[in-house]
Amino acid sequence: GAGVSQTPSNKVTEKGKYVELRCDPISGHTALYWYRQSLGQGPEFLIYFQGTGAADDSGLPNDRFFAVRPEGSVSTLKIQRTERGDSAVYLCASSIGPGELTQYFGPGTRLLVL
Amino acid sequence: DAKTTQPPSMDCAEGRAANLPCNHSTISGNEYVYWYRQIHSQGPQYIIHGLKNNETNEMASLIITEDRKSSTLILPHATLRDTAVYYCIVRVGSNFGNEKLTFGTGTRLTIIP
Repeated sequence: GAGVSQTPSNKVTEKGKYVELRCDPISGHTALYWYRQSLGQGPEFLIYFQGTGAADDSGLPNDRFFAVRPEGSVSTLKIQRTERGDSAVYLCASSIGPGELTQYFGPGTRLLVL
Repeated sequence: DAKTTQPPSMDCAEGRAANLPCNHSTISGNEYVYWYRQIHSQGPQYIIHGLKNNETNEMASLIITEDRKSSTLILPHATLRDTAVYYCIVRVGSNFGNEKLTFGTGTRLTIIP
């Protein structure tokens, strides 16, 4: 079946602009995660959704970052007033539900802030 | 979640078994050992996980020491497509509200033709 998909695959923007990154989880998966990966590092957790609600947003670096999942399926990660330091690969993952330990990752969105 | 230690890089000849070690000396009784890998320009891919017994699936085997302070991921017949960064992650089992995976820097495995 279809895996986790993310769009766009690449995004180039200018400092100060607003960007939205989209994640389509595996159908039927109620848990959704966002991670950020800088060059040479492992992925770092940003936020976790169970259904429509953000169950854990402790990884969001500051209030410029926000994520939504209004219908419990597709999620959008929103970054306001982008900074060069926001350049990274943004990864989305989903799992069947809470307590299910295996997460399935999408290919990521490569964000470059000039 | 317990901290893990992995060598930064390893090489393995194509067709041989690749043995990737991981130390997790502070692991707790309810924490699982998970392995993911990340091939260049792709998202991480789940490989295998275990609690205390050795596990095997179509991709790999996981050997966990009796004291659970270390483990080894074994790729029995490595191919060039196994070149990737391998992450060992330790985390609790069903623990609602603590679902995140904490990645380290992993082991960069290079398969040599």
